[in-house]
Amino acid sequence: AQTVTQSQPEMSVQEAETVTLSCTYDTSESDYYLFWYKQPPSRQMILVIRQEAYKQQNATENRFSVNFQKAAKSFSLKISDSQLGDAAMYFCAFGGSQGNLIFGKGTKLSVKP
Amino acid sequence: AAGVIQSPRHLIKEKRETATLKCYPIPRHDTVYWYQQGPGQDPQFLISFYEKMQSDKGSIPDRFSAQQFSDYHSELNMSSLELGDSALYFCASSQDYPVYEQYFGPGTRLTVT
Repeated sequence: AQTVTQSQPEMSVQEAETVTLSCTYDTSESDYYLFWYKQPPSRQMILVIRQEAYKQQNATENRFSVNFQKAAKSFSLKISDSQLGDAAMYFCAFGGSQGNLIFGKGTKLSVKP
Repeated sequence: AAGVIQSPRHLIKEKRETATLKCYPIPRHDTVYWYQQGPGQDPQFLISFYEKMQSDKGSIPDRFSAQQFSDYHSELNMSSLELGDSALYFCASSQDYPVYEQYFGPGTRLTVT
């Protein structure tokens, strides 16, 4: 069975600074997807970024980028130039052959002005 | 851009009552997923449908059932409600199966009293 682990329950970053959220996963599958979702206080689940396991190049979306280490089964999210609106719960998610997403426990990110 | 629509947004029921949650996927999305998120928890997969057929089943109680209709909207039926069913219920849709980007609706907040 696949598992997703987020070892940082809470993180804090100063506005305009950079922060990295960690995620590790375990799977025996070779073809899968990894995602980061943002859940602000409204509790809407917002897709931040996606990485296909077969791609070696790390995904980037504006200020958000990932460091995908397939051999180490690691998938961290880097947020550059942090903004107050980035404050939210961030979930790492694994999507494999069955289609459904398996989420980590989440990391609550606070942004200090 | 069109998003996933869920109704109702809030629902209050008493124990042992029934509830029906509706989900309207993004146009041209043929796959629907249902997730349950308890307070302070990560979303847990319940059930999914691809082209109107059940494609996968997670930790869905036997008291719950769901289906996807010809217009691709989906309904989650919950009977004999228990206090522990109080949660945020998300519907997500995607354009492909098994895994592609899943876009979440705003959720239905169910409170069982």
